[in-house]
Amino acid sequence: KQEVTQIPAALSVPEGENLVLNCSFTDSAIYNLQWFRQDPGKGLTSLLLIQSSQREQTSGRLNASLDKSSGRSTLYIAASQPGDSATYLCAVRSNDYKLSFGAGTTVTVRA
Amino acid sequence: NAGVTQTPKFQVLKTGQSMTLQCAQDMNHNSMYWYRQDPGMGLRLIYYSASEGTTDKGEVPNGYNVSRLNKREFSLRLESAAPSQTSVYFCALERVTGGYTFGSGTRLTVV
Repeated sequence: KQEVTQIPAALSVPEGENLVLNCSFTDSAIYNLQWFRQDPGKGLTSLLLIQSSQREQTSGRLNASLDKSSGRSTLYIAASQPGDSATYLCAVRSNDYKLSFGAGTTVTVRA
Repeated sequence: NAGVTQTPKFQVLKTGQSMTLQCAQDMNHNSMYWYRQDPGMGLRLIYYSASEGTTDKGEVPNGYNVSRLNKREFSLRLESAAPSQTSVYFCALERVTGGYTFGSGTRLTVV
């Protein structure tokens, strides 16, 4: 069974600081990994998708890396803004179609 | 969350009542999923359907049934609701190009 862990559970930073969010998974035989953002009381918004053959993906201020052999992914958010405050979820898609989630990292960016 | 429609958005049930949560896609994707999200527990997979006519249990299937009669719709049924099923329910689909799109959620309270 795939286990996904996100550290830290919560993070508070001043505006402008770079954010580093970690995700680890136990089974390296994955199909892809996806990072989501969730605002309070809302649904999930897809941020980045990394296929198992890729090492990283970038979109604007966001960069996600994937090290499949060590079972790790890191989401970097450059020059954080108060609007980045949200919960960030890591999800791992296994070869049996299942998508397993971490519990999330709740980020607060202080103005 | 264009492409995945969930109904209803909110529902209050009495213990023992039954109800069906509906999910429909307006795209031509094969795999669909039902998740529940509880505070501190993250998103947990209830059931998934890799293709029309097939369904498989996820992590927490007890107390639920699903139906995938056609490619477009994937419904989740609670036959006899219990307070432990109070949660936010999300439907999702896996895009043909990879990655997932989630519905906006159904907030269910069982009293």
